[in-house]
Amino acid sequence: DADVTQTPRNRITKTGKRIMLECSQTKGHDRMYWYRQDPGLGLRLIYYSFDVKDINKGEISDGYSVSRQAQAKFSLSLESAIPNQTALYFCATISLTGELFFGEGSRLTVL
Amino acid sequence: GESVGLHLPTLSVQEGDNSIINCAYSNSASDYFIWYKQESGKGPQFIIDIRSNMDKRQGQRVTVLLNKTVKHLSLQIAATQPGDSAVYFCAENNAGANSKLTFGKGITLSVRP
Repeated sequence: DADVTQTPRNRITKTGKRIMLECSQTKGHDRMYWYRQDPGLGLRLIYYSFDVKDINKGEISDGYSVSRQAQAKFSLSLESAIPNQTALYFCATISLTGELFFGEGSRLTVL
Repeated sequence: GESVGLHLPTLSVQEGDNSIINCAYSNSASDYFIWYKQESGKGPQFIIDIRSNMDKRQGQRVTVLLNKTVKHLSLQIAATQPGDSAVYFCAENNAGANSKLTFGKGITLSVRP
């Protein structure tokens, strides 16, 4: 089983719809991250959390929100999806030594 | 501002040759650096890391070199194999309060048979 699991893996939705991407981890790490990947732009940090109920904005948080209700789960929401949020989204956890573990990604298409 | 960048967007090498992928970083406070490999359809996978108190670290077929003077990081892959074909990212981390990794844009390594 994967250490970091993301659902759904693929999602197609329409402009204005609310979307939630779920992430769960079995590493027991406190710190979790959501990244967005676009061609030519690499990985950009959306939000991160150092502990349950702790939420911090990354470099591109506008249009997104997150929830960290449990150590193992970190969800990313798009309250009203727009086409330029079409991207590949990655959840990750980080160990105490700084090693980052990524999920397999969630591909979101907003029409 | 802070940035991590890769010098070349693509690199093509012959199978069996050594590959060298370079990366520049701009945050002199960064103290931890990681190389990731991302295969098509998958999430990035850890390859090797190095802390700022070292200038070289070796793994299996891979070596990471860190030059703090010019803020340069490189990944060397020995005897490159077709399975090494992927996108490679360098990342830097300042282990201060924020502990955020900043990623470069990625470089595609293509291995010719």
